Amino acid sequence: KAGVTQTPRYLIKTRGQQVTLSCSPISGHRSVSWYQQTPGQGLQFLFEYFSETQRNKGNFPGRFSGRQFSNSRSEMNVSTLELGDSALYLCASSLIGGMTETQYFGPGTRLLVL
Amino acid sequence: KQEVTQIPAALSVPEGENLVLNCSFTDSAIYNLQWFRQDPGKGLTSLLLIQSSQREQTSGRLNASLDKSSGRSTLYIAASQPGDSATYLCAGTKGGSNYKLTFGKGTLLTVNP
Repeated sequence: KAGVTQTPRYLIKTRGQQVTLSCSPISGHRSVSWYQQTPGQGLQFLFEYFSETQRNKGNFPGRFSGRQFSNSRSEMNVSTLELGDSALYLCASSLIGGMTETQYFGPGTRLLVL
Repeated sequence: KQEVTQIPAALSVPEGENLVLNCSFTDSAIYNLQWFRQDPGKGLTSLLLIQSSQREQTSGRLNASLDKSSGRSTLYIAASQPGDSATYLCAGTKGGSNYKLTFGKGTLLTVNP
């Protein structure tokens, strides 16, 4: 069974631009979560989608948004990029996000904002 | 607010040594505790998941324990190998969901041949 895939793997943008990242979960998984990883803050929860609905959101500004499609693929969008948005963005999937489930992470998208 | 702390931040050991990585959390309401491994530039690989009702989990040379009363979890690695070199992260969850993980900053482990 294929793992979680994320595209693109690397991205360079300039301040003020917007960016869209994509995540394809493991087949059959309906819960997709997004995390931001930076050297200073570590891994921080962005949001989680289940059956095309956002179930929970972390403490990030409204510039960070996401959506999920009927095939469970998810995208996250960052508008008006800032230098501090440079990070590794990871998505994780599980069947339903239940309390006994393991989260399976993708390889991440490394975003550099210049 | 849940905080997760990992000590030490970095650890270097010779091959073959047994070692323990520590994770502490501030909120005793933590439900599950997971340990992950992250190789440089890569995503996370789940190692062990300890549910609230459990005290420990084992997988091969890895053993993880959870003590909610003291707010601590440990990851024991037996007979370490150079291939174990990676960053090890612990993460906790609260409530009935397991998708919102609160992570520690990780321990960078180097196993020297």
